[in-house]
Formats: sequence, C-alpha cells, structure tokens
Amino acid sequence: DTGVSQNPRHKITKRGQNVTFRCDPISEHNRLYWYRQTLGQGPEFLTYFQNEAQLEKSRLLSDRFSAERPKGSFSTLEIQRTEQGDSAMYLCASSHRTGKINTIYFGEGSWLTVV
Amino acid sequence: AQKITQTQPGMFVQEKEAVTLDCTYDTSDPSYGLFWYKQPSSGEMIFLIYQGSYDQQNATEGRYSLNFQKARKSANLVISASQLGDSAMYFCAMREASGGGNNRKLIWGLGTSLAVNP
Repeated sequence: DTGVSQNPRHKITKRGQNVTFRCDPISEHNRLYWYRQTLGQGPEFLTYFQNEAQLEKSRLLSDRFSAERPKGSFSTLEIQRTEQGDSAMYLCASSHRTGKINTIYFGEGSWLTVV
Repeated sequence: AQKITQTQPGMFVQEKEAVTLDCTYDTSDPSYGLFWYKQPSSGEMIFLIYQGSYDQQNATEGRYSLNFQKARKSANLVISASQLGDSAMYFCAMREASGGGNNRKLIWGLGTSLAVNP
C-alpha cells in the first residue's frame, strides 16, 4: 500500500496557462475525491468519482476546471486559463465503497501558484 | 445547512500535557459522521479519529479521544501526552448520511493550529 500519490507536488504557472494534476489512489479504491484548500481555510469539496463515473461536482468547479478518471484508476484535474484565484493546494483522496466510513485517505496535495 | 465551527485559531500546549481542541457542528440529519484530521506543514491530511452519530461510546485511537456531546452538537478532540510532533493544523469535518452511499463529501472547519512547546 503506497498511499495516495499526487503529482506534481508544486506547480508555478503564469496566468492564462493550463495546468494538469494527477492523482493515483490507493489500489482497489473505487472512490476518488478532489478538494481545494486555500491558506487559512479548510478544504472545499470539488468533485467525486465512483470508478470512472463522476457522480458529484461542486459549483466551485467552474467551466475552466475538468476532472477525469478514464479507467477508474488514476484521475486528472485540469485547470484551463488559470487565474490568480486558482492558487491553492489541490488535495486528492480515495476510499473503498465497502470500507469503513472513516477510511478516507488523502495524498500530500499539489500546490498551485499562479503568477 | 451543515456547518462546522472551530473557534480556536491557535492553541499552545506544553509537551506531555493534554490539550482539547473544540469543534461544534450543525446539521438536521440524524445520521452523520464526525472526523478529525491532522495536517502538518507538508500538507498531507492525516486521518486521526472518527465518531458516528449513533455510536454509544466516545471514539478513542491511541492518544486521541473524541469527547462527543450529541445534545450540545460538539465533538472535541482530546490529545493526551502531547508530543513535539503533534504540532500541526487540526481540522474537524462532518459527513451527512443523507444522499446515499458512504464516504462522500466532507464539510470542514477552518482548523486549529496547535503548537507543542518543549
């Protein structure tokens, strides 16, 4: 069990550029979540996948954001035409449907700085 | 609407002493779960302890215990015998059972920054 893996861990990009983050969940975990966290705040839910199906999407996820989980394993979160307000840490988490409700494992996050 | 309130932006504790981090919640759902996570400066969100709304006993996990007072809608985290490595942000979070399924989105508080002094 290697845990939830996210990369890149840090990304600095110019405003207007596109960025993509990848999340590799724990093997066999069929549920995957993306959260966003800004300084001084708790995480905010962005979206949730069960296998390859995106079952829930927050209103925070504007049209510039898209998340995919094509084969029900890893997931990508793409931000198009980045804005300075997108600067945050993007957290990925995974869990197993039949697991205990408390077994939600988080990765170390991907820090995004838009300059 | 569901809400999590952590009223302590920062806390200090002496090494080896116990500390209580406050968390109150608001929900109309009779079935819900309460979580505490630790977030060190590295950024990873580390699960600490879970309390279900129907659990009869307060949850305990090693040095962590949850003081669950359902009528007061509070779920305070107690850390006993504090260690220097406990210095981190601590977040309280809640998930409601309505909407079906397990392990869906969590609603988070703003967190409490804990500093353990040697």
